Amino acid sequence: AQTVTQSQPEMSVQEAETVTLSCTYDTSESDYYLFWYKQPPSRQMILVIRQEAYKQQNATENRFSVNFQKAAKSFSLKISDSQLGDAAMYFCAYRSAKKKSSGDKLTFGTGTRLAVRP
Amino acid sequence: DVKVTQSSRYLVKRTGEKVFLECVQDMDHENMFWYRQDPGLGLRLIYFSYDVKMKEKGDIPEGYSVSREKKERFSLILESASTNQTSMYLCASSFRSRPPSPLHFGNGTRLTVT
Repeated sequence: AQTVTQSQPEMSVQEAETVTLSCTYDTSESDYYLFWYKQPPSRQMILVIRQEAYKQQNATENRFSVNFQKAAKSFSLKISDSQLGDAAMYFCAYRSAKKKSSGDKLTFGTGTRLAVRP
Repeated sequence: DVKVTQSSRYLVKRTGEKVFLECVQDMDHENMFWYRQDPGLGLRLIYFSYDVKMKEKGDIPEGYSVSREKKERFSLILESASTNQTSMYLCASSFRSRPPSPLHFGNGTRLTVT
């Protein structure tokens, strides 16, 4: 079974600075997808960014980028120019690329709570 | 815009009661999921469904059952609620596609069992 580990329960960053959230995972599969989701105080989970394991290039979405190290099974999220609205819980998630229907489920980490200091 | 609606934002039930949590999505998604969220444990999958009347157990199905009679609705049932089922419950849905489409989440139901 796949597992996802987020070793930082809480992080803090100064507004306009850069912060990196860590995520490691364990899998025996070679093809899979990785995600970062954000959960603000409103509780609405929002997809931040995703990475296909077969792609070597790191995904970026505006101020959000990832550092994907497949051999190390590491998938960190970098937030640049942090804003007050970035304060939230961030969850790393894994999804198998297997074609059977049960391959559609996501396995989540325990989350990192990010505080942004004005 | 995709909408996933959970019937209650807050719910308080007594031990032993039968509890229904309802989730409706309006985007014709094949997949629907029920997760439970607890501090320090993240999101854990209870059950999911990839088609009408189809269901699969997730990581923590004990004490729960589900029903999917229509494509847009996925119900989570606590047959006899217990205090250790006090938690936040999140419903999500997605298309079955490759590459995978994003999960769309509801706003969650915070259930308290007393």
